[in-house]
Amino acid sequence: QVVLTQSPSASASLGDPVRLTCTLSLGHSRFAIAWHQKQPEKGPRFLLKLNNDGSHTRGDGIPDRFSGSSSGAERYLFISSLQPEDEADYYCQTWGTGIWVFGGGTKLTVL
Amino acid sequence: QLQLQESGPGLVKPSETLSLTCSVSGGSITSNYYYWGWVRQPPGKGLEWVGNIFHSGSAQYNPSLKSRVTISVDTSKNQLSLKLTSVTASDTAVYYCARLPQNWNFDHWGQGALVTVSS
Repeated sequence: QVVLTQSPSASASLGDPVRLTCTLSLGHSRFAIAWHQKQPEKGPRFLLKLNNDGSHTRGDGIPDRFSGSSSGAERYLFISSLQPEDEADYYCQTWGTGIWVFGGGTKLTVL
Repeated sequence: QLQLQESGPGLVKPSETLSLTCSVSGGSITSNYYYWGWVRQPPGKGLEWVGNIFHSGSAQYNPSLKSRVTISVDTSKNQLSLKLTSVTASDTAVYYCARLPQNWNFDHWGQGALVTVSS
């Protein structure tokens, strides 16, 4: 069964770029994933769907400072210039045969 | 613009059944391109998939919840529903409904409904 691993926390300064990582478990390196943003007291927000070749599709209204890339079993979310509203939890998510899985989430702090 | 709105009792007693409804507006639940699902988040924890359903009624459930969960659709009302039986305090969570294009990733989410299990 596929497992997604994320670092619990990350931080970066306002205006700086940041990269978050989601790692697919052994044998699942070709899986596509999705990235979601979760702010307190709000529903999750779909950011983008990321394929194993690095191609990605953003959700409705998602600014282009959010992007993704892939390398082997790792899937990345890039935020090019951090804004205060980017402080949130970020979850990766994938799907297999009859199973949908979330990573544990990364809490991003904007310094 | 697609909107998903969860509703239902905010407090459920242990051993009873949790029931939630998700009303879909701005899109049809009978589209052949989309599936619909439920995800929950216990306080202070991460997101957990509960289950998905197609408008035909074909559903898939998280194996850890499968014996207790039922998801259904009411196409006449453009709604989906969640029932979770024999609840315990560990079922306390914010429950979200969401849409899945082609049963892949979640791409639209509701605001969520907090359900507390307590006597």
